[in-house]
Amino acid sequence: KNQVEQSPQSLIILEGKNCTLQCNYTVSPFSNLRWYKQDTGRGPVSLTIMTFSENTKSNGRYTATLDADTKQSSLHITASQLSDSASYICVVTSGATDKLIFGTGTRLQVFP
Amino acid sequence: ETGVTQSPTHLIKTRGQQVTLRCSSQSGHNTVSWYQQALGQGPQFIFQYYREEENGRGNFPPRFSGLQFPNYSSELNVNALELDDSALYLCASTLRAGVDEQYFGPGTRLTVT
Repeated sequence: KNQVEQSPQSLIILEGKNCTLQCNYTVSPFSNLRWYKQDTGRGPVSLTIMTFSENTKSNGRYTATLDADTKQSSLHITASQLSDSASYICVVTSGATDKLIFGTGTRLQVFP
Repeated sequence: ETGVTQSPTHLIKTRGQQVTLRCSSQSGHNTVSWYQQALGQGPQFIFQYYREEENGRGNFPPRFSGLQFPNYSSELNVNALELDDSALYLCASTLRAGVDEQYFGPGTRLTVT
């Protein structure tokens, strides 16, 4: 069964600190992996998209990594800011259906 | 702002009623997908429309139906509302499904009482 699992479920950090969010998937065949940021009650906003051949991709203070062999991805946030408080969702596109399969997200809270 | 708009922003309905949600896709995007997101959960795929034709459907009953218009805007209709239909409904548009960036609208918060 195609699944995307994220950990931790929630995370609290202090402003200025770094953090890493994890994503494991069992989607096969794999097309691409995306990380989205979703503020409460709003639509998700794309951070990165990575294909099979990409190991890492950055978007400002956000850096995503992908290990297609182990089917794992991580999102690293550097020097966190209060505005980083949101849910971060890992999404894998099935190469068979082109449909997006969403994880349940990691809820990040950044405190001053 | 992604260029994808949804209306209404919030909606309260009674069990058994019918509801229509609307989405205007980003200019030039011919593919629209609809998602249901329950509180604390990730979005669940409802269906996708490509050039006015349904192009894939998730595990949702037939009382969830949709429509895409020639200008690529879209509607989601839900009949016989149930309490569990209470959720944030998101639409997203893209040019090439599964390949290109998918831009989400702000969502419609539906509450069924």
